[in-house]
Formats: sequence, C-alpha cells, structure tokens
Amino acid sequence: DTAVSQTPKYLVTQMGNDKSIKCEQNLGHDTMYWYKQDSKKFLKIMFSYNNKELIINETVPNRFSPKSPDKAHLNLHINSLELGDSAVYFCASSQDNRGNGELFFGEGSRLTVL
Amino acid sequence: GESVGLHLPTLSVQEGDNSIINCAYSNSASDYFIWYKQESGKGPQFIIDIRSNMDKRQGQRVTVLLNKTVKHLSLQIAATQPGDSAIYFCAETGSYKLIFGSGTRLLVRP
Repeated sequence: DTAVSQTPKYLVTQMGNDKSIKCEQNLGHDTMYWYKQDSKKFLKIMFSYNNKELIINETVPNRFSPKSPDKAHLNLHINSLELGDSAVYFCASSQDNRGNGELFFGEGSRLTVL
Repeated sequence: GESVGLHLPTLSVQEGDNSIINCAYSNSASDYFIWYKQESGKGPQFIIDIRSNMDKRQGQRVTVLLNKTVKHLSLQIAATQPGDSAIYFCAETGSYKLIFGSGTRLLVRP
C-alpha cells in the first residue's frame, strides 16, 4: 500500500489553464503539506494543514488554493497557470504538526506549463 | 533569515569508499535535523535524524554528525554503493516547518 499517493504523476498544460493535483495519505497522520521543487531541485514548503486547518501559507500566490476535505486528503488547485509554475509538486504528511518529525513524501507530480 | 545550505553541489566517489556530505545551517534555534535521500523520479525518503541534544547518531551504514558550535551537519555513508547515488538534502525544523537545504548530488563510480 502506498503511504502518500498523489495524482496525476505528470501534467502538461497550457498557460492560463486551471489544474488540480490530488493527494491522499493512509498513515493516519493529522498534518499534510505541499512542497514545490524547482529545476534546481530546491524544495520549498508551500502549505501545511493540520486536521483540515491551514497552518502554514508560505506567501504562495492566491492562484494556488489548497483544499483539505478531510485529514487524509490535501488537494492543490492552481488557477491561471503561468510558465513559472512548472515544477515538481510533492505532497507529504507527518504525525507531528510542529515540523518536529519525519515527513513522508509522495512520488511527486511534475507540472509542465507551455 | 532562515537558510540551510550545502558546500558541495556534486560529490563523486568510488564504489566502496566512504562518502561525506556536508551541510551548514543558520538558525541556531533549530533543534531537530533530518537527512533525506531523493532518487531520480521519486520523492525524498528519510535516512536519519538527530536532535540538538546529541552530536552523533548512527544508522545502518550512515552516521550523522552535528556541530552546534559552527552550525554544521554532516552525513557519512560507509562503503558507498551504486544504490546510494541520489540527491541528499539536510533539513532543519523551524517555525513549525521543515526547511530543506539546496541538496548535494552523490555520484558513485563503479
């Protein structure tokens, strides 16, 4: 069983479109995250949710809207896609909500904006 | 501001040799550190962690050293194998989040 699964794995789309990436974890964790990895492999946190509540929003543009219908799911919706949004997006979860424990990552969703 | 950085972007080692990957961090208040390994096309995977009340921790073939005086973290891999080829990230806890360094690519020569 995959602990943290995200779909789709690959996404190619045109500028200006709206797209979503879904994430689910079956670890029973209360905290979930979205990280963005750029072409230089730098990993930067975007959001974190604890039990469906937003904990961290790292000055991400309003075009990015996370949604957590329950604590096992954290989806990422992106409006009006721009070229600079091209990256690999990783979902993660953890038992600890203070960043003080291991994060379990999904396999990533590679977004390419043309 | 907060930052975690690495000295070497790419490290090439001979199979069987030991590898040492270094990391400098800037937040002296950080009390928890993790090393992650990311293989091509996959998400980061936990390798080993260490808390600030320790200066050394050992796992299977890996050792993490923490020097709080100079805010330096290192990952030592013994008898490096081809399967160790990956990007390695150090990360520190700060402000309810895990902050990642810029990564080091480890290449293992046969």
